[in-house]
Amino acid sequence: DQQVKQNSPSLSVQEGRISILNCDYTNSMFDYFLWYKKYPAEGPTFLISISSIKDKNEDGRFTVFLNKSAKHLSLHIVPSQPGDSAVYFCAASRYNNNDMRFGAGTRLTVKP
Amino acid sequence: NAGVTQTPKFRILKIGQSMTLQCTQDMNHNYMYWYRQDPGMGLKLIYYSVGAGITDKGEVPNGYNVSRSTTEDFPLRLELAAPSQTSVYFCASSYTQGATNEKLFFGSGTQLSVL
Repeated sequence: DQQVKQNSPSLSVQEGRISILNCDYTNSMFDYFLWYKKYPAEGPTFLISISSIKDKNEDGRFTVFLNKSAKHLSLHIVPSQPGDSAVYFCAASRYNNNDMRFGAGTRLTVKP
Repeated sequence: NAGVTQTPKFRILKIGQSMTLQCTQDMNHNYMYWYRQDPGMGLKLIYYSVGAGITDKGEVPNGYNVSRSTTEDFPLRLELAAPSQTSVYFCASSYTQGATNEKLFFGSGTQLSVL
């Protein structure tokens, strides 16, 4: 039962352009959402998060948008840089529950 | 600052063998987790621990055991390895409960193949 889905396995964008990574979830009980970034041979590292009481959170070049009615969130990277090339995981959790659920990841390639 | 350290990085096991994946963290985090990631799938929680001496099952615990004798260490034991346990294993930790607005810190992973 995959409660968090990233339907695009890969995305390729040109340096300087916007990257938009999408994530859908099915469990309406999720109230906290995170994005992790993973480079080869490394573990995922936290990138940005958003609580369900918000619809947008921004941190430098990274912005996460949450649409609760559609059960959809997206990560925007502007401008994209070659160093952003990595696998991005969407994750979701419920308050007081240790089982954070992850999507399968989207591999982003930013071309110089 | 080492963070979360996992050993080994790679391992090949024969069916029926046993092994222990080691995980240690130096951030004094209370919560520790073991995840597995299969190709094309998201990370799935195997076991977690909320402190020394306390462990609990996650989404996919069958075939695994854990222990937490110290705050720093959280080893994962595979008994009677099966091909279905071929995966990449990640250990993670967090200061507070992972699902209450607290990000996870991950180790670099162990790639395990069972042949």
